[in-house]
Amino acid sequence: QQQVKQSPQSLIVQKGGISIINCAYENTAFDYFPWYQQFPGKGPALLIAIRPDVSEKKEGRFTISFNKSAKQFSLHIMDSQPGDSATYFCAASMGIQGAQKLVFGQGTRLTINP
Amino acid sequence: DADVTQTPRNRITKTGKRIMLECSQTKGHDRMYWYRQDPGLGLRLIYYSFDVKDINKGEISDGYSVSRQAQAKFSLSLESAIPNQTALYFCATSDRSDLGYEQYFGPGTRLTVT
Repeated sequence: QQQVKQSPQSLIVQKGGISIINCAYENTAFDYFPWYQQFPGKGPALLIAIRPDVSEKKEGRFTISFNKSAKQFSLHIMDSQPGDSATYFCAASMGIQGAQKLVFGQGTRLTINP
Repeated sequence: DADVTQTPRNRITKTGKRIMLECSQTKGHDRMYWYRQDPGLGLRLIYYSFDVKDINKGEISDGYSVSRQAQAKFSLSLESAIPNQTALYFCATSDRSDLGYEQYFGPGTRLTVT
């Protein structure tokens, strides 16, 4: 059972456009929602993260929107660039004795066309 | 990320063979994790360790075992490899002082079981 559902599986956006990736979760005990970015041949790397006490977090061209009542959150990439082409994973976690057990979404392969 | 290294990077093995994947980190973190990545499923947690004496099962631990030889080393073993263990395997670390919010991933090991 997938606790975090991510869509779409793949996305193609023109350079300069807005890329939007959506995630939904079931477990209300989750208290941390990160997005990871993965380039081919590399491990995932933290891109941006949000706690459930805020509805939006922005870092440069990347924004997380969080809707606690709907149990949904999304990643928006403004002014998308070819260098943003990568696989993106949303995740959710809860603290367990000081460790974070991340539950990942299925991933979205984003392609930005020049 | 050179701070978290994994060996080997690629491995092809036969069904029934025992195989060990190794992870080393120079970040000084005490939390370490093993994930596997499959297309369309995202990353799933196999095992995690708070410190040398504390090892815990993740969501898909069947068929796997781990060893935390030192704070900096965490190994994953497949006692008798089977084809559905073909996947990309990632080691990750996190820092207790950050409450483990960011996990740092190694470059991955691509394992093929024939």
